[in-house]
Amino acid sequence: EAGVTQSPTHLIKTRGQQATLRCSPISGHTSVYWYQQALGLGLQFLLWYDEGEERNRGNFPPRFSGRQFPNYSSELNVNALELEDSALYLCASSLDSYSGNTIYFGEGSWLTVV
Amino acid sequence: QKEVEQDPGPLSVPEGAIVSLNCTYSNSAFQYFMWYRQYSRKGPELLMYTYSSGNKEDGRFTAQVDKSSKYISLFIRDSQPSDSATYLCAMSVDTYSGAGSYQLTFGKGTKLSVIP
Repeated sequence: EAGVTQSPTHLIKTRGQQATLRCSPISGHTSVYWYQQALGLGLQFLLWYDEGEERNRGNFPPRFSGRQFPNYSSELNVNALELEDSALYLCASSLDSYSGNTIYFGEGSWLTVV
Repeated sequence: QKEVEQDPGPLSVPEGAIVSLNCTYSNSAFQYFMWYRQYSRKGPELLMYTYSSGNKEDGRFTAQVDKSSKYISLFIRDSQPSDSATYLCAMSVDTYSGAGSYQLTFGKGTKLSVIP
């Protein structure tokens, strides 16, 4: 069974540009979570989507946004990129909205802002 | 005070040793406690999941939660070089209860090296 898949693996953008990251959850999972893992800061919760709706949002500015598609895949958009947005962006999924304490991560997308 | 504190290490042990990894936390509302293992440049892998206080064992891994002390531990018996990774503790307040749920709070991770 395929795990959580993310693309692209690596992305280099210039400050001020927009980045789009994509995630496919484990088959049968409806909830998708996004986390940022920046050097020295640990994993920080970004967003939670379930059944196409945003259910929860972490302490990040509005330029971090996303959506979940009818097939439960998701994308994370980061607008007006800043240097400090350079980080590993991790997508995770859980079976449903009642299973959010057991989430399974993908390999992540490395975003570098120069 | 940070919500979750975890000694970043690095921790270096010889093969076969018993490893003890720990986290302390300040939010008494945390009820669910998880341990993740993260190999270099990979995503975190869920190792153990515990609800409330007590012990849970899975093979060479034992997770302990002491809610009265706000302290959780992960023990690794007969450690192997393949256990070399960063170990992250994570915790959350509650199961599904509408808005605000499932915001896992992670420690910064302890880097473990098991020397052959």
